Amino acid sequence: DVKVTQSSRYLVKRTGEKVFLECVQDMDHENMFWYRQDPGLGLRLIYFSYDVKMKEKGDIPEGYSVSREKKERFSLILESASTNQTSMYLCASSFFRLGEPSTDTQYFGPGTRLTVL
Amino acid sequence: GENVEQHPSTLSVQEGDSAVIKCTYSDSASNYFPWYKQELGKGPQLIIDIRSNVGEKKDQRIAVTLNKTAKHFSLHITETQPEDSAVYFCAASRFYSSASKIIFGSGTRLSIRP
Repeated sequence: DVKVTQSSRYLVKRTGEKVFLECVQDMDHENMFWYRQDPGLGLRLIYFSYDVKMKEKGDIPEGYSVSREKKERFSLILESASTNQTSMYLCASSFFRLGEPSTDTQYFGPGTRLTVL
Repeated sequence: GENVEQHPSTLSVQEGDSAVIKCTYSDSASNYFPWYKQELGKGPQLIIDIRSNVGEKKDQRIAVTLNKTAKHFSLHITETQPEDSAVYFCAASRFYSSASKIIFGSGTRLSIRP
């Protein structure tokens, strides 16, 4: 069974704090993703990474950065948290290897509900 | 930019009846259309997917149809059961050289009435 874990289920931070959200997957997946989920807006891609130390911006990268130092771990960083970053954050991973068929299936973690006061 | 529209946003059906959720996509290069189910307190989980080379796919009580010309795809759940209550997301993606980027719809909250 693929397992994607996120460091916290619930997090409360203050405006201006630096926030780290951690994600770990145990399936040796190349691709990892960070989304935020807001009512009526679905899942919006913040950043993704297709290899260690590689990252690409998604649709809403402003105010966020990411780090991928190890294949299994992908961190989302809020440099200076703001109230409009209060949301559910979901991490996902998927398999890809050049030259091999990709299933494209993304496996999600349980999410971190972040509240910024 | 790329966009996926999903309707309805909420859906309530009687247990045993069918439920249909519809999506349209804007990127004509999309070639993969997954559907995810999100239960309370959990992350989304893939329930069925379809690729652009087929028009329909079925797995027990769930089926997906794809109309590439109209850029529409739909999820059909027959003989609904209480455990089908959840939020459902459609999505569309096209394969890049290094990773697939999936665009999600806004979600449909399905409630099954006993």
